[in-house]
Amino acid sequence: SQTIHQWPATLVQPVGSPLSLECTVEGTSNPNLYWYRQAAGRGLQLLFYSVGIGQISSEVPQNLSASRPQDRQFILSSKKLLLSDSGFYLCACNPGTGGWRNQPQHFGDGTRLSIL
Amino acid sequence: GQQLNQSPQSMFIQEGEDVSMNCTSSSIFNTWLWYKQDPGEGPVLLIALYKAGELTSNGRLTAQFGTTRKDSFLNISASIPSDVGIYFCAGLTYTSGTYKYIFGTGTRLKVLA
Repeated sequence: SQTIHQWPATLVQPVGSPLSLECTVEGTSNPNLYWYRQAAGRGLQLLFYSVGIGQISSEVPQNLSASRPQDRQFILSSKKLLLSDSGFYLCACNPGTGGWRNQPQHFGDGTRLSIL
Repeated sequence: GQQLNQSPQSMFIQEGEDVSMNCTSSSIFNTWLWYKQDPGEGPVLLIALYKAGELTSNGRLTAQFGTTRKDSFLNISASIPSDVGIYFCAGLTYTSGTYKYIFGTGTRLKVLA
């Protein structure tokens, strides 16, 4: 089964600084990859998803961007962080193949980002 | 966009009690998932449902895929303190050539020993 690694686990950054969060996946090939943000006490907001290398779809307009330089690597970035970028960022993965019955989504342990 | 209404938003229960929560949607889904999230961690998949009317158990947890395909239910029997957490439902959609999940807003469960 797939394993999702996220780092760092915790990050404190000043407003206006750049950001790079990394997610890597083991145990599967050609996965669909997703970035979610979760505000404190709230549900999950889908930010980006990717069905393959270099293919990124954005769900909501925002200050963030995503990239997929390798099949099992997904990166979330920003050039200049805003206070509103604070939150818990989760990377998720599903196989992407095998039909709709084979699509349970699994999550990494997240990165807690605090903007000062 | 699509939304899932999950209820209750939060609940306090006594240890040993049974718990029920549900998720409803205006859209039909082919797959329903239930997750549990502990503080500071990512959601962990509990149960996946693939067929209308399907009833699936995982230990003390039982989930059902509603017959209308617009709802799902999760029951926890004989709750214990470690059941504390946030429970999310999610429905699978296929949009623009990819699979995506729509998540409910979560049910925050607190168990009183």
